[in-house]
Amino acid sequence: NAGVTQTPKFQVLKTGQSMTLQCAQDMNHNSMYWYRQDPGMGLRLIYYSASEGTTDKGEVPNGYNVSRLNKREFSLRLESAAPSQTSVYFCASSTRSGEQYFGPGTRLTVT
Amino acid sequence: GQQVMQIPQYQHVQEGEDFTTYCNSSTTLSNIQWYKQRPGGHPVFLIQLVKSGEVKKQKRLTFQFGEAKKNSSLHITATQTTDVGTYFCAGRYSGAGSYQLTFGKGTKLSVIP
Repeated sequence: NAGVTQTPKFQVLKTGQSMTLQCAQDMNHNSMYWYRQDPGMGLRLIYYSASEGTTDKGEVPNGYNVSRLNKREFSLRLESAAPSQTSVYFCASSTRSGEQYFGPGTRLTVT
Repeated sequence: GQQVMQIPQYQHVQEGEDFTTYCNSSTTLSNIQWYKQRPGGHPVFLIQLVKSGEVKKQKRLTFQFGEAKKNSSLHITATQTTDVGTYFCAGRYSGAGSYQLTFGKGTKLSVIP
């Protein structure tokens, strides 16, 4: 099992460009999450999907959109990137009991 | 919104010393989880505590959940260099949004050999 995979690992964007971060899990989990991690801020939830076909906003959703493509895949889109979106992005999926498994992360820089 | 406060933000210890990090919520938690993140890595699940007053041990790590289910601690006995990393608590609240975890800001542990 690969667990949770994310692509790309690194990305540099110019202000105003768009991109999609991809996430997939092979653990048959219903719930999936997108977080951003900034120094000293811990992990902040952007969006989550409790089950296939549903998505909900987390703590910091502005500037992002998500798509739960199927049970395995949950993508995060930045329509018009801003320097404030420079961060490390983690995707996670969770078991029924709630423990979360994280992907390796995408390091995004917006110049 | 709901917040989980975690202290200290940083801790430097000599190898062999003990280490403790604390989490506190202003409202009752449904459960609390602990994660470890090595430098440059991703968070890895350590444990989940559900019951009031629960204590769980994993080798040198001891996890506690307070009687009121508002606070929790992680204690490491006799730290080793392999313990280096950032430790996060993450609380889950009941009701709307119960799928979400609210993470503390983490305690970054440095171990001096």
